[in-house]
Amino acid sequence: EDQLVQSGAEVKKPGESLKISCKGSGYSFISYYIGWVRQTPGKGLEWMASIHPGDSDTRYSPSFQGQVTISADKSISTVYLQWSSLKASDTAMYYCARQPRYYDTLTGFYRGYYMDVWGKGTTVTVSS
Amino acid sequence: DIVMTQSPDSLTVSLGERATISCKSSQNILNTSNNKNYLAWYQQKPGQPPRLLIHWASTRESGVPDRFSGSGSGTDFTLTISSLQAEDVAVYYCHQYYSIHTFGQGTKLEIK
Repeated sequence: EDQLVQSGAEVKKPGESLKISCKGSGYSFISYYIGWVRQTPGKGLEWMASIHPGDSDTRYSPSFQGQVTISADKSISTVYLQWSSLKASDTAMYYCARQPRYYDTLTGFYRGYYMDVWGKGTTVTVSS
Repeated sequence: DIVMTQSPDSLTVSLGERATISCKSSQNILNTSNNKNYLAWYQQKPGQPPRLLIHWASTRESGVPDRFSGSGSGTDFTLTISSLQAEDVAVYYCHQYYSIHTFGQGTKLEIK
């Protein structure tokens, strides 16, 4: 079974750093993008960033560029999302999701499209 | 960014009846070079992650019941549940992947 297993819930203070993880299994990990999606009651679902573990191609939403860092370790089939200095506004549920890789005729580059397998989510709470 | 607007925000339908959810994009999301609409639909039940139902606007994901169907092109799209079942109670989201990924605000579907 294709699955993504995320790390556990985190409670942090403002200004602290954090790295959460997403481990894939049951499929060729290096053949798909993995994206991170934030969910909050106020803003709903927001795509943050995606990475292709096979060639490290990385894409960020302009809204999250510079705020988070996505990375991958293909040797252990794991993708990470990290913050260097958390804010209270980072409090949310974070999902990783697998994205099939397609050649985009609009841009001439490969990228991830729809999200076909999702992790169960990692709750991040940032509070003083 | 492309803004995705769903309607209605909530919907109450009787068991066995049809449920229809609309999703409108602020820009065209049809790629005329491959004739594909870059739109997906997801179902999210309480305490669970979203589940992919449909991609390319009308391609049903493997294992999704055939009472779920997607239609539309360009900027106007529809998710239809032909005969509502109790297990379909959920929030439904549309998602465009034509450019920077964006999602609709969600439509909450309940049983009348």
